[in-house]
Amino acid sequence: DAGITQSPRHKVTETGTPVTLRCHQTENHRYMYWYRQDPGHGLRLIHYSYGVKDTDKGEVSDGYSVSRSKTEDFLLTLESATSSQTSVYFCAISEFGGEGGVFEAFFGQGTRLTVV
Amino acid sequence: AQSVTQPDIHITVSEGASLELRCNYSYGATPYLFWYVQSPGQGLQLLLKYFSGDTLVQGIKGFEAEFKRSQSSFNLRKPSVHWSDAAEYFCASKAAGNKLTFGGGTRVLVKP
Repeated sequence: DAGITQSPRHKVTETGTPVTLRCHQTENHRYMYWYRQDPGHGLRLIHYSYGVKDTDKGEVSDGYSVSRSKTEDFLLTLESATSSQTSVYFCAISEFGGEGGVFEAFFGQGTRLTVV
Repeated sequence: AQSVTQPDIHITVSEGASLELRCNYSYGATPYLFWYVQSPGQGLQLLLKYFSGDTLVQGIKGFEAEFKRSQSSFNLRKPSVHWSDAAEYFCASKAAGNKLTFGGGTRVLVKP
């Protein structure tokens, strides 16, 4: 299994508080992603990174920010948590290579976040 | 914009019967397509991927998928389902910039 660790695995927080989720990888992959998973919506991309300090928005980026100061860590911050951000958050990593120029994305185990 | 559609939200199948999950994509250029499986409370595991070449792709756990450009489809199949195949299945495609776009998922229930 790819070395991806998400922390925390579970968190309950109050509306209006900031929350930071961490994704740590040991594969030295360049690309890292944050997705949220909600029933009926599959996985939706929040932000992704294509290198240290290089990030871009996904389809549901409002209310979220990210930072990547090291190859191995990709942080997702909810600046002021709202109940609509209650979800399961997945981190994924990927790297160029192989046929077609891309491997598959490897996923972490997820973080279940509840905003009350 | 690229999109992936999985028309079936739930599918119930008897153990030992065949399974087919549908996936349609919209993408102008050559698509890179993937199927993932997610067991309850777990992350996503890659079943198979298609980049080019033979349009029938073999994956793990006895799954296969067929790419049909004329139908913009990448359907997943398994000839004989086991109880352990009960899970949620996601189709995904690679977008520009190495983003992966996912469909809404299909939950598979297996009847004994």
